[in-house]
Amino acid sequence: DAEITQSPRHKITETGRQVTLACHQTWNHNNMFWYRQDLGHGLRLIHYSYGVQDTNKGEVSDGYSVSRSNTEDLPLTLESAASSQTSVYFCASSTGGPYNEQFFGPGTRLTVL
Amino acid sequence: AQKVTQAQTEISVVEKEDVTLDCVYETRDTTYYLFWYKQPPSGELVFLIRRNSFDEQNEISGRYSWNFQKSTSSFNFTITASQVVDSAVYFCALRGGNNNDMRFGAGTRLTVKP
Repeated sequence: DAEITQSPRHKITETGRQVTLACHQTWNHNNMFWYRQDLGHGLRLIHYSYGVQDTNKGEVSDGYSVSRSNTEDLPLTLESAASSQTSVYFCASSTGGPYNEQFFGPGTRLTVL
Repeated sequence: AQKVTQAQTEISVVEKEDVTLDCVYETRDTTYYLFWYKQPPSGELVFLIRRNSFDEQNEISGRYSWNFQKSTSSFNFTITASQVVDSAVYFCALRGGNNNDMRFGAGTRLTVKP
């Protein structure tokens, strides 16, 4: 069965370190998204991609970067982790078009000390 | 700018009660799409329903029903005869017709007590 996976599921890191969160989907979806979930804010979009070599900034992109070298993967990098980036991160994918629902991964809980 | 407001932060009901989760949205797009997702205690996000702005027909799926009213910019979700398994955080979301930037509400935590 097609799925979307994230790794690691839990990560503890220190302020200033570079961290990369992996997202892999086997749906063959063109669109992939990264969100962060914080209490009181719901999910907020960090970056998204419509296809290979395409990346776009979302609502809360400062301090994050992504790259899309193939259809299946969209890794999220925190260049220099900050305590404000402690959050739960969700990756999602969808087929083209705004009408289509997004399928979400299980989430990664990141703690920055 | 697009915005979704879920004014109810937490709701607690007793099993078998009916409960309505409110969702109010703002957008300047004439074409847009509305979604509801469920996040159970296990943490994953589960898609429940989508509606496009041209389809105001209400939807019923088992104990779940959705009421979309463009006149009040609302897309409310009702659970009839609630069950303990309905306990979760429910998110309403909005996406404009010209982009993939989905905006989520802050979520409503529903607790159904036995």
